[in-house]
Amino acid sequence: EDQVTQSPEALRLQEGESSSLNCSYTVSGLRGLFWYRQDPGKGPEFLFTLYSAGEEKEKERLKATLTKKESFLHITAPKPEDSATYLCAVQAEVGTYKYIFGTGTRLKVLA
Amino acid sequence: GAVVSQHPSRVICKSGTSVKIECRSLDFQATTMFWYRQFPKQSLMLMATSNEGSKATYEQGVEKDKFLINHASLTLSTLTVTSAHPEDSSFYICSAVPGGYNEQFFGPGTRLTVL
Repeated sequence: EDQVTQSPEALRLQEGESSSLNCSYTVSGLRGLFWYRQDPGKGPEFLFTLYSAGEEKEKERLKATLTKKESFLHITAPKPEDSATYLCAVQAEVGTYKYIFGTGTRLKVLA
Repeated sequence: GAVVSQHPSRVICKSGTSVKIECRSLDFQATTMFWYRQFPKQSLMLMATSNEGSKATYEQGVEKDKFLINHASLTLSTLTVTSAHPEDSSFYICSAVPGGYNEQFFGPGTRLTVL
């Protein structure tokens, strides 16, 4: 069965304290892995797409990487405005754009 | 680019009434849209896939007569919650896939409260 697991469930960091969020996946055939940021009461905001092992994408303080089993979202020198829930999703089913979502990591960055 | 809107953002209704939620892609055409439901502190739960000009595909356990989906054009999909009850209260989010993309772009969500 296709599955996506994110860890940790919640993370508290001091401003400037770098860390990484994990997204582990088990799918029969990965078509794409996607990272989103979701603020409370809002829809998810697209961050990155990764397609193949070894691929990396960067945006400001965020960097996403991909292996054959997992993806990491590295946050360098985070600021309080980076506080949000970060969601990982994979596309595995041929012929559709359906996602399998992880449960998310709630990040809180303290000033 | 890739902006998706939802209307209304919040709705409060009485038990037994029907509520319609609109999802629009503002700057692109979308042959495929999705409807999700999200409970507090939980991830998104896919309800159905909406394809323009054809019937929606519902996920297992989602009542198609309860949650009516219409995708009448390449920029508009609607979700109607029929005979709403308090247990239908939730945060409903739509997403759309632009032509040539694999990514889903999400709307801001609609908070439904059924009294």
